[in-house]
Amino acid sequence: TQLLEQSPQFLSIQEGENLTVYCNSSSVFSSLQWYRQEPGEGPVLLVTVVTGGEVKKLKRLTFQFGDARKDSSLHITAAQPGDTGLYLCAGYPSTSYGKLTFGQGTILTVHP
Amino acid sequence: EADIYQTPRYLVIGTGKKITLECSQTMGHDKMYWYQQDPGMELHLIHYSYGVNSTEKGDLSSESTVSRIRTEHFPLTLESARPSHTSQYLCASSEQGPVYGYTFGSGTRLTVV
Repeated sequence: TQLLEQSPQFLSIQEGENLTVYCNSSSVFSSLQWYRQEPGEGPVLLVTVVTGGEVKKLKRLTFQFGDARKDSSLHITAAQPGDTGLYLCAGYPSTSYGKLTFGQGTILTVHP
Repeated sequence: EADIYQTPRYLVIGTGKKITLECSQTMGHDKMYWYQQDPGMELHLIHYSYGVNSTEKGDLSSESTVSRIRTEHFPLTLESARPSHTSQYLCASSEQGPVYGYTFGSGTRLTVV
């Protein structure tokens, strides 16, 4: 079973639309992170959220950590073709700081 | 600018060959990781290390081995490559603590024919 469930798995939208990607778990996390990966490259860290209820903004991207620290969301406003990529959520379970647990990813395609 | 380097970027080899994928980081991170990933798919942890002379197997069973003789260097070796090993291999490193993310290399795309 996947500790971090991401949805949707695939998202294909037109330029200018808004979208939200979800990352859910039944476990509590010390922190959650979001990464974006372009084809042929490694994932790049976008943001880390640490406090329950925390909201962080990065230009058109808004990240939220759930109050209970079990879930997170990524919202993109007015998507652009440059946002196309694989988005991964990842978290450190509160019971272990050892290594990150990754979700299975969301493939986003933004059409011009 | 990348602080973690993987070589080669692309590799095509024949079945049965021994190969070593190189990974080096200049950030002084104690923690390093190897992931296997098929295009657009989830990451599978195959090995990790928390410091020199410390290595552990990850969640995905792998026929590869790793070593950590120096902090900055974490090579992965396949003794006898098979077509089922064809994949992208990503190396990453991080600092200790739950607020730190991973820095990934650009990966090695391995094809075994």
